[in-house]
Amino acid sequence: DAKTTQPTSMDCAEGRAANLPCNHSTISGNEYVYWYRQIHSQGPQYIIHGLKNNETNEMASLIITEDRKSSTLILPHATLRDTAVYYCIVRVSAYNFNKFYFGSGTKLNVKP
Amino acid sequence: NAGVTQTPKFQVLKTGQSMTLQCAQDMNHNSMYWYRQDPGMGLRLIYYSASEGTTDKGEVPNGYNVSRLNKREFSLRLESAAPSQTSVYFCASIGGTSETQYFGPGTRLLVL
Repeated sequence: DAKTTQPTSMDCAEGRAANLPCNHSTISGNEYVYWYRQIHSQGPQYIIHGLKNNETNEMASLIITEDRKSSTLILPHATLRDTAVYYCIVRVSAYNFNKFYFGSGTKLNVKP
Repeated sequence: NAGVTQTPKFQVLKTGQSMTLQCAQDMNHNSMYWYRQDPGMGLRLIYYSASEGTTDKGEVPNGYNVSRLNKREFSLRLESAAPSQTSVYFCASIGGTSETQYFGPGTRLLVL
């Protein structure tokens, strides 16, 4: 029961912007979109999250479509250290906890 | 702050052996989670604990038990290990205004 779908892999030239797409067409109105990344099988690392509005922080920008059925994570100037698997996640809030639905992720290869 | 710590880092078991994976967090978070990650896949929720003294099943609880010993510690036990439990196990705690997950470094388990 995948809540998100992402391309398996993408390439990006060092110094260029990396745009990673995600489809979450069944998302409900109160469910957040989170992005995490995982480098070399380490524990996933938080990048950014949003509900409806576009968001930006020191790591990335998150663009969410008006219908909320898809989003794009933007790394503005990719470096070799950004090579990782990027997960688009939907957070569903239940009565006493939050459940995070991980997809299979996108392997981003940043090339010199 | 150490964040989320996990022990051991690596473990090899024989089928039928038991073991306990330890997890601790020092961020005073209420919620803690156990995930497993199989090759090429995203994370799947095994068990979670919304608060001290409570635990509930996630997507793939069969073959596992958990204990929320106190607010800091959440352990995962395999009573009789099977080869299908070969995986990487991640513990996470959740907190902050953005309900961010903080992951430990993982435990790599091989069951022969």
